[in-house]
Amino acid sequence: AQSVAQPEDQVNVAEGNPLTVKCTYSVSGNPYLFWYVQYPNRGLQFLLKYITGDNLVKGSYGFEAEFNKSQTSFHLKKPSALVSDSALYFCAVRDVSYSGAGSYQLTFGKGTKLSVIP
Amino acid sequence: GAGVSQTPSNKVTEKGKYVELRCDPISGHTALYWYRQSLGQGPEFLIYFQGTGAADDSGLPNDRFFAVRPEGSVSTLKIQRTERGDSAVYLCASSFAGGHSYEQYFGPGTRLTVT
Repeated sequence: AQSVAQPEDQVNVAEGNPLTVKCTYSVSGNPYLFWYVQYPNRGLQFLLKYITGDNLVKGSYGFEAEFNKSQTSFHLKKPSALVSDSALYFCAVRDVSYSGAGSYQLTFGKGTKLSVIP
Repeated sequence: GAGVSQTPSNKVTEKGKYVELRCDPISGHTALYWYRQSLGQGPEFLIYFQGTGAADDSGLPNDRFFAVRPEGSVSTLKIQRTERGDSAVYLCASSFAGGHSYEQYFGPGTRLTVT
């Protein structure tokens, strides 16, 4: 079974400071990892994904994430936070077997509320 | 281009009633997914369609829930004999098919309240 943990319910950061939103995962095969952002009364928006290759992936709005296989983590980062980054962030995983088979469903964490303080 | 659309945006119904929630995927996306998001939780998978057929319905909680996609585009999630515990935001997503690497694009959701 696949699972995702986002250990922080809320992260507060001052505008202009770097931000990190943590995510760890558990899969039996290969992980395909995704970050989504949710603004109030809006749907989930795709930010970035890790499938294979370079462990550091870059996505929308200046966000990036680092895949760490030994620590089973996929933390979301941004060098300089903006007030407009304040939102709910979800990490998600898809478990893909070594043969390429697997479920197409995404398993999400509970979400982390990011508040950027002016 | 147009994103995933869902109607209605809000639905209030009485316990025991039947409801239908509609999803219009992004044009050209053959894969369609339904998720349910309860307050304070991440989305939970319900069902996945590849074309017209349900390829994975392992997330449907019980037989009161059913979904169809008769022409491989629009999908309807149907809930019979609604219960207060069914209250949640129901999210629809679509993606290109044929590979696990494709990201899913989500609609704004339908907020269902069962009174």
